[in-house]
This record gives sequence, structure tokens and C-alpha cells, in this order.
Amino acid sequence: SQTIHQWPATLVQPVGSPLSLECTVEGTSNPNLYWYRQAAGRGLQLLFYSVGIGQISSEVPQNLSASRPQDRQFILSSKKLLLSDSGFYLCAWSVDRGPQPQHFGDGTRLSIL
Amino acid sequence: SQQGEEDPQALSIQEGENATMNCSYKTSINNLQWYRQNSGRGLVHLILIRSNEREKHSGRLRVTLDTSKKSSSLLITASRAADTASYFCATETSGTYKYIFGTGTRLKVLA
Repeated sequence: SQTIHQWPATLVQPVGSPLSLECTVEGTSNPNLYWYRQAAGRGLQLLFYSVGIGQISSEVPQNLSASRPQDRQFILSSKKLLLSDSGFYLCAWSVDRGPQPQHFGDGTRLSIL
Repeated sequence: SQQGEEDPQALSIQEGENATMNCSYKTSINNLQWYRQNSGRGLVHLILIRSNEREKHSGRLRVTLDTSKKSSSLLITASRAADTASYFCATETSGTYKYIFGTGTRLKVLA
């Protein structure tokens, strides 16, 4: 069966520090991968999605970036965090063909001090 | 910007009652999905309805889709306290792999 791992679960970082959040999927190949951010009590904002290795589409211009160095690995990064980067970050995957549901990780709660 | 808007934003009902949530969207879609999120957790997929379908059932869930009105509804029948969660609709725009989520409905079921 397929599983998605996202870590860390909680992260507290000072303003201006770098960021690296990792997401890996097991049990499937060539998945579509997604990073979302959710502000407290709000909906999900699509940040990046990828349909293949090295293929990243950015939805919102900001100081975040994403990379997909391997088929089932998706990384969210920042060189310098801002206070506004605080939030709940969710990684998700879906099968790469046809209308398919998305499967989410348990999220990373990021607090910027 | 958010594609979907759920209505109401919050809903409080008694156990055993039915809960209805609505979702409106703006552009042509390939499919519409409903998800559930328990507090502080990831989202869990509930049901997917394609653009050429009008109604779909899964257990106590009933979803309708009206593409002419660009709207969908999720009905949870005989609600339970365990149904307490936030519910989101998500749309996939035709020809893309992007899912755009609505703002969510917070459902509270009182025992």
C-alpha cells in the first residue's frame, strides 16, 4: 500500500533562518506531488506541484522554493524565513493519470519567531 | 486565489441530524472532490465526482454536482459526534493537475 511521510511534525525557526521540509512517498511510482500551506482556520493554498522529477510549477510568488530530486521525494525550502511563512504545511500525492484523489501527509506546523 | 467557497463557514448540529455543506467554484472543472480534516491533521479524501456526473453516494455521504451553477453540495446523513471536522471541496481545472481548495466548513456535531 502507498504511504506518505512528512517531517518534522513541528518546527520553530527564527526569522531569517533557512528551511527544509521533506516529503516522501512509498508504494507508488511517478506520483504527482504537491505542497500546500494552510493558515489557522483557513483553506489550503497551493504552493507548488510537480508532475515529474525536476518539474516544478510555482503557484504563488514568495521566498519559498521546491525541488524534486527523486521520483518520490519532494522538498520545500527557503533561504530566509519571514514571519509570514508561519503556518501548517501539507504535502500530498496523487496518481499521475485521470481524476484521482489526493493523499495527504500529517503536516508540519511551522512557527517563525 | 481560492477557486472554491464553502457555505456555511461553520455549522453546529445535534447528533442524528443531517448536515449539508455547499461549495461554489468559478471555472470549468474536470472533477470535484470533498475532503475532511480533523484538527491539526492532514486531509482525508471522502468522495470524487466527475464533471459528467450529477450525484454520487458513499455510505452516509451524498454529493451532488451542478456544473451549470458551478456548485456542489455534500450531505452527511445521521451525523455522529465523530463527524466533527472541517470539510473542504477541491476542484481540478480541466487540463491541469492543479487542485484548488475552498475555504472549508467547520462542522460540529453535538452528542
